[in-house]
Amino acid sequence: DQQVKQNSPSLSVQEGRISILNCDYTNSMFDYFLWYKKYPAEGPTFLISISSIKDKNEDGRFTVFLNKSAKHLSLHIVPSQPGDSAVYFCAASAETSGSRLTFGEGTQLTVNP
Amino acid sequence: DSGVTQTPKHLITATGQRVTLRCSPRSGDLSVYWYQQSLDQGLQFLIQYYNGEERAKGNILERFSAQQFPDLHSELNLSSLELGDSALYFCASSANTDTQYFGPGTRLTVL
Repeated sequence: DQQVKQNSPSLSVQEGRISILNCDYTNSMFDYFLWYKKYPAEGPTFLISISSIKDKNEDGRFTVFLNKSAKHLSLHIVPSQPGDSAVYFCAASAETSGSRLTFGEGTQLTVNP
Repeated sequence: DSGVTQTPKHLITATGQRVTLRCSPRSGDLSVYWYQQSLDQGLQFLIQYYNGEERAKGNILERFSAQQFPDLHSELNLSSLELGDSALYFCASSANTDTQYFGPGTRLTVL
């Protein structure tokens, strides 16, 4: 049972344009959502998070949007840079099940110069 | 650099053997989590410790065990290793927030 899904295994965008990565979840108990970026042979790096009481959180070039009714979140990167090329993971946690994170399968973002 | 350290970086061993993976959390973080990333699967939660006590358990095999010591470092013990245990093992730590910071991982290869 895949509770967090990232349906796009890969995404390719031009430098300077917007990158939009999507994530869907099924567990309505999830109340905290995070995005991580991962380079090969490294651990996931925390990017940005959002609580279920908000619908948007912004940090520099990164913005996360949460649509609770659709059980959908997205990460916007503007403007995209070649250094953003990595695998992006969406993760979610529920207070009722402790702080364990449930991860999506990841989306490989490639930003072309 | 997340501040979470893991050793060793790589580990190659044979089936049936036992190994220990070590993790040091960020300074001040009381929670430590272990995750497994296999080739055909995403990151899977194994177990969480908080200030020395087991807090939550995920899909951790009975052949695997973990502990957190008084200095808050944690060890993940994997025994009777099988080929399918080959994976990346990540440790993460957190303070009072829900945000977890990950270490660089240990790549385990079972031959």
